[in-house]
Amino acid sequence: KAGVTQTPRYLIKTRGQQVTLSCSPISGHRSVSWYQQTPGQGLQFLFEYFSETQRNKGNFPGRFSGRQFSNSRSEMNVSTLELGDSALYLCASSLDDFHSGNTIYFGEGSWLTVV
Amino acid sequence: EDQVTQSPEALRLQEGESSSLNCSYTVSGLRGLFWYRQDPGKGPEFLFTLYSAGEEKEKERLKATLTKKESFLHITAPKPEDSATYLCAVQAAGGGSNYKLTFGKGTLLTVNP
Repeated sequence: KAGVTQTPRYLIKTRGQQVTLSCSPISGHRSVSWYQQTPGQGLQFLFEYFSETQRNKGNFPGRFSGRQFSNSRSEMNVSTLELGDSALYLCASSLDDFHSGNTIYFGEGSWLTVV
Repeated sequence: EDQVTQSPEALRLQEGESSSLNCSYTVSGLRGLFWYRQDPGKGPEFLFTLYSAGEEKEKERLKATLTKKESFLHITAPKPEDSATYLCAVQAAGGGSNYKLTFGKGTLLTVNP
C-alpha cells in the first residue's frame, strides 16, 4: 500500500517568507503528526491532528501552525521564516487504534532551507 | 517531562560482529516504545513497537527487548547494509501525551565489510 506522502521534497525560502508543507497519510489513517528534525536537536514534535482536531502541540512558537482536512490530509505552515527554521520536516500517520496496536509511519520529509 | 537517552552515540562494527544499542527512558506511563531506522536524507523507517516490560520482537538480524527503564536493540551478525542511524522513541500514556513521540538523539551504526 502507498506510504505517507509529503510534498514538496525540497524547497528554498528567503527569511521573512512563509511556507506551506503538505502530507497525505496512509489510506485509512486518521492521525497525522508533524516533527522537525535538525542535527542539533534531533526529532522534535510539532503537533498532532485527528479528525481535523489538534490534540497536542509541541513547544514551538505560534509561527508554526497546521491543519487537517476531512480526508485526513494535513498541511503545516511556517510564517515569517527564520534561518533556524531550516530543517527536515517529517509527517507521520497512524491508525491510532490502541487495541489493535499502534504503529506510526513516517514520510520521507520535506527539506526546507531558509536563506 | 519524558526523556529518552540513547547510547552509544556512534558505533562501528565489523561485518558479523554482534552488538547492542541502548535506549534509556523516563516516562510517567508508557504507552509504547518505538525503534526506527533512518538512512541519510530519508524519513525514519518503522522497525518495532514494544508495549510492556519483558516483551521481545525480532526482525531478520534485529531483536528488540524492553524493561521498565530501558530497551535494547540487539544486532546479530550485522551486514554493511545495516549501517544507519537507529532511533528510539517513547509514547506516553494519558492526555495529550498519547499523541506524540519523544525521540532520543539516535545511534549512528557503521558496519564495515
